[in-house]
Amino acid sequence: QVQLQESGPGLVKPLQTLSLTCTVSGGSISSGSYYWSWIRQPAGKGLEWIGRIYTSGSTNFNPSLKSRVTISLDTSKNHFSLKLSSVTAADTAVYYCARGLLGGSWGGYYFDYWGQGTLVTVSS
Amino acid sequence: DIQMTQSPSTLSASVGDRVTITCRASQSISSWLAWYQQKPGKAPKLLIYKASSLESGVPSRFSGSGSGTEFTLTISSLQPDDFATYYCQQYNTYSPLFGQGTKVEIK
Repeated sequence: QVQLQESGPGLVKPLQTLSLTCTVSGGSISSGSYYWSWIRQPAGKGLEWIGRIYTSGSTNFNPSLKSRVTISLDTSKNHFSLKLSSVTAADTAVYYCARGLLGGSWGGYYFDYWGQGTLVTVSS
Repeated sequence: DIQMTQSPSTLSASVGDRVTITCRASQSISSWLAWYQQKPGKAPKLLIYKASSLESGVPSRFSGSGSGTEFTLTISSLQPDDFATYYCQQYNTYSPLFGQGTKVEIK
């Protein structure tokens, strides 16, 4: 059974960089054809896809966040990471990591396993 | 850009009711649509993928239908455990997009 677990600071100051890690257990992050993704959800609001990294290391990002996002893969530790720079209060949200399964015509994917989520608050 | 619109935003229903939630895409997404259930404080859970395929372990009272631009999620007989928020997600393109959610609450 695949499990994902987010970790990282719960409080980040404005204009600093948010850094989170998602540790995957129950399977190798480098095997199979999966899209390891980050998704966030502000309190009381809907889900927003942030970006993903494929097992090959290729990445894609939400255009609205692309200039501030980095996602990387560490196969030796079986985890992947998110960095979001120059954060503001609008970046306060629960951040989820998830595993994406390819299914769409143009490289789209849906999410079969999710982490429990971690709340990140941006405040001084 | 594709837009996803769910209706209604909130739905009040009783245990045993048949419940239908609609998701509309602004352009055709073929059958590349998934449905998730989210309970307060929990991660979303995959229910349906490819518009009508039931994820393993999901009760058969959940079903999905549709293609192109209009999709539905149906719960045939609402159970106490089903009171939650439901999201659709298109994956026709490499940029996943979720609907705004439908909250199913107790009537």
